[in-house]
Amino acid sequence: AQSVTQLGSHVSVSEGALVLLRCNYSSSVPPYLFWYVQYPNQGLQLLLKYTTGATLVKGINGFEAEFKKSETSFHLTKPSAHMSDAAEYFCAVSGIRNTPLVFGKGTRLSVIA
Amino acid sequence: DAGVIQSPRHEVTEMGQEVTLRCKPISGHDYLFWYRQTMMRGLELLIYFNNNVPIDDSGMPEDRFSAKMPNASFSTLKIQPSEPRDSAVYFCASSLDRGIGYTFGSGTRLTVV
Repeated sequence: AQSVTQLGSHVSVSEGALVLLRCNYSSSVPPYLFWYVQYPNQGLQLLLKYTTGATLVKGINGFEAEFKKSETSFHLTKPSAHMSDAAEYFCAVSGIRNTPLVFGKGTRLSVIA
Repeated sequence: DAGVIQSPRHEVTEMGQEVTLRCKPISGHDYLFWYRQTMMRGLELLIYFNNNVPIDDSGMPEDRFSAKMPNASFSTLKIQPSEPRDSAVYFCASSLDRGIGYTFGSGTRLTVV
């Protein structure tokens, strides 16, 4: 079975500051890992994904995440926050294409001018 | 492609009434998922289909909930009778694979009064 824990339901950063959203996963098989973003009153949009290969994954809008197997983590980062990054972010895991995505409870990112 | 299309976007109904939510997946996607999003529980998988066949409905909360996929281009989620605790945002997603690359619809915000 797979599960995801997102540390911090709400993160607030200043515009231009580093964004760090934390995600730890549990999986009985090698995982596929994902970050989705949800803007108000919209559906979820894929930011980036890790399946196999390079452990540092780059996504849209300047975000990236690093898969660390030893730490069972997949934290999302962005060097410089922009006001338009304010949204809800969800980490998700699946077990090598065999199971549907299991989502974390989300982290709301606020960006302060 | 227009993406995953859900209707209606908003639904307000009285307790005890029947509610039907609709979803049109992306053409060619073999998998269709129904998720429910609430503040307390986050995103929960209700049911998913593969090639129009329900594969796992263990997330359906009660017998009041039912889902169908009569063909590859249409699915419904029905609640009968509806209760206030069913108030949530219901998302439909489709994909080519069970555990990767979901495309989400914009969701249906259901309010049961």
